[in-house]
Amino acid sequence: AQSVSQHNHHVILSEAASLELGCNYSYGGTVNLFWYVQYPGQHLQLLLKYFSGDPLVKGIKGFEAEFIKSKFSFNLRKPSVQWSDTAEYFCAVNAINTGRRALTFGSGTRLQVQP
Amino acid sequence: ETGVTQSPTHLIKTRGQQVTLRCSSQSGHNTVSWYQQALGQGPQFIFQYYREEENGRGNFPPRFSGLQFPNYSSELNVNALELDDSALYLCASSLSASGIYNEQFFGPGTRLTVL
Repeated sequence: AQSVSQHNHHVILSEAASLELGCNYSYGGTVNLFWYVQYPGQHLQLLLKYFSGDPLVKGIKGFEAEFIKSKFSFNLRKPSVQWSDTAEYFCAVNAINTGRRALTFGSGTRLQVQP
Repeated sequence: ETGVTQSPTHLIKTRGQQVTLRCSSQSGHNTVSWYQQALGQGPQFIFQYYREEENGRGNFPPRFSGLQFPNYSSELNVNALELDDSALYLCASSLSASGIYNEQFFGPGTRLTVL
């Protein structure tokens, strides 16, 4: 069964700092990869997704992520964070060819941006 | 186009009771997935319904059951509630087609507290 690891549980940054959140998954086959964000009091929203093609994907609000197949990683980045980026971030994987379209989530990273 | 809605928003039950949670999928979507999100954790897959049939199940006991109706709305039923069932229950809908994965859209969740 696939699993997802997010090693940073809580990250505190100042505004304008650069962000990189780690995500590693364990599954040897083809995967779809996602980053979701959960702002305080709001529901999960999709930030970006990777299905195939260019391993560098761009999402909403200036976020991007790079899929490195050899490292089983899909790290999330943003060059300059804002206070409004304070939220919980979840990496998720869907393993293709398992016949199931469910997502396996990491445990999340809580990002706190200080003004 | 309406998004995914869930009811009720909050629910308090006592151990041993039964609960039913409801989800209306986004217009045009035929697949509903249910997830359990314990405090401080990422969502965990419970099961998925596609065209009224269960299409995969996570590592949850049989006292977690579900239904999908012809209009693609869904119910999650939990019998013999335990304290550890206290969590946010998320419903996600998507449009599934053979061999094609489409992203899941999440509802706001139902917060269940078991006393």
